[in-house]
Amino acid sequence: GNSVTQMEGPVTLSEEAFLTINCTYTATGYPSLFWYVQYPGEGLQLLLKATKADDKGSNKGFEATYRKETTSFHLEKGSVQVSDSAVYFCALSDQNSGAGSYQLTFGKGTKLSVIP
Amino acid sequence: DAGVTQSPTHLIKTRGQQVTLRCSPKSGHDTVSWYQQALGQGPQFIFQYYEEEERQRGNFPDRFSGHQFPNYSSELNVNALLLGDSALYLCASSLRLGTVNSYEQYFGPGTRLTVT
Repeated sequence: GNSVTQMEGPVTLSEEAFLTINCTYTATGYPSLFWYVQYPGEGLQLLLKATKADDKGSNKGFEATYRKETTSFHLEKGSVQVSDSAVYFCALSDQNSGAGSYQLTFGKGTKLSVIP
Repeated sequence: DAGVTQSPTHLIKTRGQQVTLRCSPKSGHDTVSWYQQALGQGPQFIFQYYEEEERQRGNFPDRFSGHQFPNYSSELNVNALLLGDSALYLCASSLRLGTVNSYEQYFGPGTRLTVT
């Protein structure tokens, strides 16, 4: 079955540091890949997405490139801010023909804390 | 534009009891998915509803059931509660497969269920 593996946290960085959160996946076919962010006490928000190999998703300074050859979708940001402190989830979608939409498979999440 | 709403926010139940959680999808969305997020884990897919029918189901027992109403809102029911059912239950809405951007799922804030 499908699975997503992301680096263990927590990750603590100083403000303006470079961020990388690793994510690798196992899937049949050609899934779409996502990064979601969860702020304390809130639901999940879609951060960025990529729907095919070599696509780069980007949003709010975050980037991730869909690498089919390494089955990876690592999240990066050049300069983190205190407001980026949250839990980040890598996910893939598995299209099931005949179903209403895409089923998401998530990694366990990586907690990021950014200190001033 | 109203996003995904869920009720109640928090709930405390006793082992063996039954619980019903509610979800209203984002305006314009017709597909609702439910996820269970245990503490420190990524969300796990429970099931998905479209056109008032269960379309996909994850690896959850029959104690978990649901319903979708003609206005696309949905309920999640859990019978014979176990301590292990304590989790954050997330509802996500999306457009049906084949629609532009149908892979994007929008999440509600969740219902925190505690079973004692």
